[in-house]
Amino acid sequence: EAGVTQFPSHSVIEKGQTVTLRCDPISGHDNLYWYRRVMGKEIKFLLHFVKESKQDESGMPNNRFLAERTGGTYSTLKVQPAELEDSGVYFCASSAQGALGYEQYFGPGTRLTVT
Amino acid sequence: RKEVEQDPGPFNVPEGATVAFNCTYSNSASQSFFWYRQDCRKEPKLLMSVYSSGNEDGRFTAQLNRASQYISLLIRDSKLSDSATYLCVAYGGATNKLIFGTGTLLAVQP
Repeated sequence: EAGVTQFPSHSVIEKGQTVTLRCDPISGHDNLYWYRRVMGKEIKFLLHFVKESKQDESGMPNNRFLAERTGGTYSTLKVQPAELEDSGVYFCASSAQGALGYEQYFGPGTRLTVT
Repeated sequence: RKEVEQDPGPFNVPEGATVAFNCTYSNSASQSFFWYRQDCRKEPKLLMSVYSSGNEDGRFTAQLNRASQYISLLIRDSKLSDSATYLCVAYGGATNKLIFGTGTLLAVQP
């Protein structure tokens, strides 16, 4: 069974540019989560989709971040315009419907560098 | 104050040593607790769950003390392959989000 995949693995952009990160969850997983780790800090929750609906977006830092999950399959996270403090590793995780919240499987992450 | 606090380390130990990591959490409403392992530049992977009664998996033992809001992980007979960052994680309960500590870096030396 394929795991959670993320694209790209690395992205280097200039301040003010736009970047779109993609996450493909494990097939059949209704729950999809985005987390972020900035250097020296802990991994922090950004938001949670159940199928195509945003269940909890309390962790989104500001309105420069837009997450979508059209059709309830893959998800994208767009940062527009990017700022220096957006640099970090963005992880996606998924879990099956009804699974205990902690049974989340993580993707390898996208390392974003804003210069 | 962070919701989950850990000593960042690093813990440098020789092979075969026993090492213990501690973690405290501030939200008494947290329902479940876990230890995740993260290798350098890799994703976090669930190592084990933590129960009040203790949870042992081979060389690894995890313990939860709800009264003190304290979680521990004990690794016996350390192997080189145990070198990684160990993340203490609380499950938020009301929402399905994981609350991570900053992690404790373990380096097992030959």
